[in-house]
Amino acid sequence: AQSVTQPDIHITVSEGASLELRCNYSYGATPYLFWYVQSPGQGLQLLLKYFSGDTLVQGIKGFEAEFKRSQSSFNLRKPSVHWSDAAEYFCAVGAGDMRFGAGTRLTVKP
Amino acid sequence: ETGVTQTPRHLVMGMTNKKSLKCEQHLGHNAMYWYKQSAKKPLELMFVYNFKEQTENNSVPSRFSPECPNSSHLFLHLHTLQPEDSALYLCASSQDGASGGAGNEQFFGPGTRLTVL
Repeated sequence: AQSVTQPDIHITVSEGASLELRCNYSYGATPYLFWYVQSPGQGLQLLLKYFSGDTLVQGIKGFEAEFKRSQSSFNLRKPSVHWSDAAEYFCAVGAGDMRFGAGTRLTVKP
Repeated sequence: ETGVTQTPRHLVMGMTNKKSLKCEQHLGHNAMYWYKQSAKKPLELMFVYNFKEQTENNSVPSRFSPECPNSSHLFLHLHTLQPEDSALYLCASSQDGASGGAGNEQFFGPGTRLTVL
């Protein structure tokens, strides 16, 4: 069965610092992988997705993620965090039957 | 209107009330989903409709009753809820609900914050 683990419940970084959010997945076939962001009181917005091809994918808002099959990981990165990036981030795996991780809450310090 | 809209955005109801949540998508998609988001828990998929047919019901209690009259509209009818049903209910849509394929990116609405007293 497919599943997603986000090991970090809460991360705090300083504005301007780099960011990496971890995601590990379990999936029986070639995974479809997604990162979503949720601001308070809002729905989920897609940041980026991986279906096939280049394992480094670029997304919106300066985010990128790298698919590593050998590690079953799809970590999200951003070189320089902005205060507006404070939100909850969700990794997801699957297709129509999508499974979401529990989320990582990002706090940005001034 | 564009994207996925949900009404109402906030709802407070008693345990004996009957209410409905509405979702509408303006993306021409064929699949629609209801999720429940509770604090400190992963998103829980509740129902999936693909081409107006229910294809998944993840052991959801019968006090939640979905309805999909067409590919653009999805309802969640609520009756005799419990306080533990208080949560954010998210609607999503995708091009189709079949496994595999690039068409399954899901687009989410803003959610309905439900409080059951």
